[in-house]
Formats: sequence, C-alpha cells, structure tokens
Amino acid sequence: QKEVEQNSGPLSVPEGAIASLNCTYSDRGSQSFFWYRQYSGKSPELIMFIYSNGDKEDGRFTAQLNKASQYVSLLIRDSQPSDSATYLCAAEGVSKLTFGTGTRLQVTL
Amino acid sequence: DVKVTQSSRYLVKRTGEKVFLECVQDMDHENMFWYRQDPGLGLRLIYFSYDVKMKEKGDIPEGYSVSREKKERFSLILESASTNQTSMYLCASSTLRGGDTEAFFGQGTRLTVV
Repeated sequence: QKEVEQNSGPLSVPEGAIASLNCTYSDRGSQSFFWYRQYSGKSPELIMFIYSNGDKEDGRFTAQLNKASQYVSLLIRDSQPSDSATYLCAAEGVSKLTFGTGTRLQVTL
Repeated sequence: DVKVTQSSRYLVKRTGEKVFLECVQDMDHENMFWYRQDPGLGLRLIYFSYDVKMKEKGDIPEGYSVSREKKERFSLILESASTNQTSMYLCASSTLRGGDTEAFFGQGTRLTVV
C-alpha cells in the first residue's frame, strides 16, 4: 500500500464548478499535509497546508483534514481553465514529505 | 523570495558516466531533498539531508549518492548512469519547523541517459 494515495484522474470539471480532489494516507503519525500544484513541465508549487482537523480556506481553495479517517481533500471553487494542472498531496514525515502520484485536473470551457 | 536553483535544466549523458546534479538554495534552510518524478509514479524521495554532512536514504537510494559539504548546496551523484535513471530530478529545500515542513522546489533537471 502506498503511503499517500490519490486518484490519478483526469478529473474533468466545467468552468465555474467546484473541483474536489481527494487523498488518503497510511501513516497515522503524519501531522501536516500539503497540496502542491504542478503545471506541465514545471516544478511543484505550494498551494496550502493543513495540520488541524476541519477546514482551512484560502481564497478559492479549501483544504479539509480528517485524521480519524486519514483523509485530506482540496476543494477549488469557481474553477478556472488556469486551474488545469496536476495536484499533488503530500504528508509530512520525520523532516521529509511523502507525495502521492497526483491527480490531473482539467477545467473545461 | 525563496530560491532553489538547479545547475542544469536538461542533461544528456551516456550509460556508465558519472553524473553530478547540483542544487543551491539561498534561504538558509536546514533540510534539502532530491526527488525523481516519473509518469504514473509521482515524486519519489531519493535522499535528503537535514544538516551539513548529514544524509538520509529516501525510498529509492539505489544507484545514487549525495554530498552536502555546505548548508546551501546539495549534490546528487549518479555513480554509473543507467538508462533507467532517465527521469526528471527535482531538488527541494525547507526549514525545520516541527511538523510544518513546507518545501520549495527548484526548476527541475530532465536527465536523459543514452
């Protein structure tokens, strides 16, 4: 079992809709979780991180964490074509991050 | 503005060559990492370092070694390059902040071994 699992997609949503990206993790010791966005041919860039159960909002993005279920999600409201990218979930270990394989999001016009 | 710089954007090497990938960060970060990224496999950790001269194996260290002689520089070495090491290599750095280990990435080096 992979330590961090994501559906590879592609996840296709129409412009203006809510995109929901999901991630599960196996290490109960992980405390912090990160969402990175990666455009094709570019390096990952951090969108947001979360370490408390519940929701954390930043603009159009909301991260959700449920430690009991070992589940992290990212909601993107009012999806834009510029949101089309691969989204990587990462879980913090001992001074290192373990990444999922990423979910490819396509926002259609 | 955090800056992580990798020495090459694209590299082509022959099988059996010794290959050096260099990474420099300018934010005085303690932690530095080397990942490789392959389609369908995501980002996999090769090695990381949490201090000068300290190194730890990641998930796939075989065929690689690293060097960290100065805090700002972390080198990845392919002792004898093989075709299965053709990949995108990403360097990252972060601070030690308890459970909050935000990582910043370099632009990546696409290595092709022929």
